[in-house]
Amino acid sequence: NFMLTQPHSVSESPGKTVTISCTGSSGSIASNYVQWYQQRPGSAPTNVIYEDNQRPSGVPDRFSGSIDSSSNSASLTISGLKTEDEADYYCQSYDNNSHVVFGGGTKLTVL
Amino acid sequence: VQLVESGGGLVQPGGSLRLSCDASGFTFSSYTMNWVRQAPGKGLEWVSYISSSSNTISYADSVKGRFTISRDNAKNSLYLQMNSLRAEDTAVYYCARRWLSIDYWGQGTLVTVSS
Repeated sequence: NFMLTQPHSVSESPGKTVTISCTGSSGSIASNYVQWYQQRPGSAPTNVIYEDNQRPSGVPDRFSGSIDSSSNSASLTISGLKTEDEADYYCQSYDNNSHVVFGGGTKLTVL
Repeated sequence: VQLVESGGGLVQPGGSLRLSCDASGFTFSSYTMNWVRQAPGKGLEWVSYISSSSNTISYADSVKGRFTISRDNAKNSLYLQMNSLRAEDTAVYYCARRWLSIDYWGQGTLVTVSS
């Protein structure tokens, strides 16, 4: 079964840049689009990146997405970190059966 | 875009529950819809999707044969009939829009399976 693996947690200081990785278990992660969701405690997820590197309207350009085929991974980069960015982040793609697959989530701490 | 789930609650193991999701602010009949769940303190798990005209339906292995997804485009509503519920089905259930690349989520409804 296709799986996406994320680091359990990352931390960084305000104003710095952090990158969260999402590694595909098989095949090429570049073959299917990757999305990223932010989930603050007690709230529903919201989309911060879609189709690998596109930002929904209203999402600041501090958020960016990329694909690295050599490592079969996707990345979410947040620059100029703010305390409000503290949240759980999930990557999402899909398998050959068109089933949605989520990564396990990464807890971002801004301290 | 607004998605509002309802129907969650406390149910005994082996029981049934029907969730609803009322959609507004977009042309509901044009979109594939999903159910996604999140167990307490855990990550997101895709449960099921249904195409815009109900022609294509798919389920996660964990719920196949127990859950049934459906929709009523005239009422702009999505449903999830959950039977033979187990403790491990305890989760917040989200209604989510769009095939393969989810773009909008509801606020979720909590389902607790316990005796």
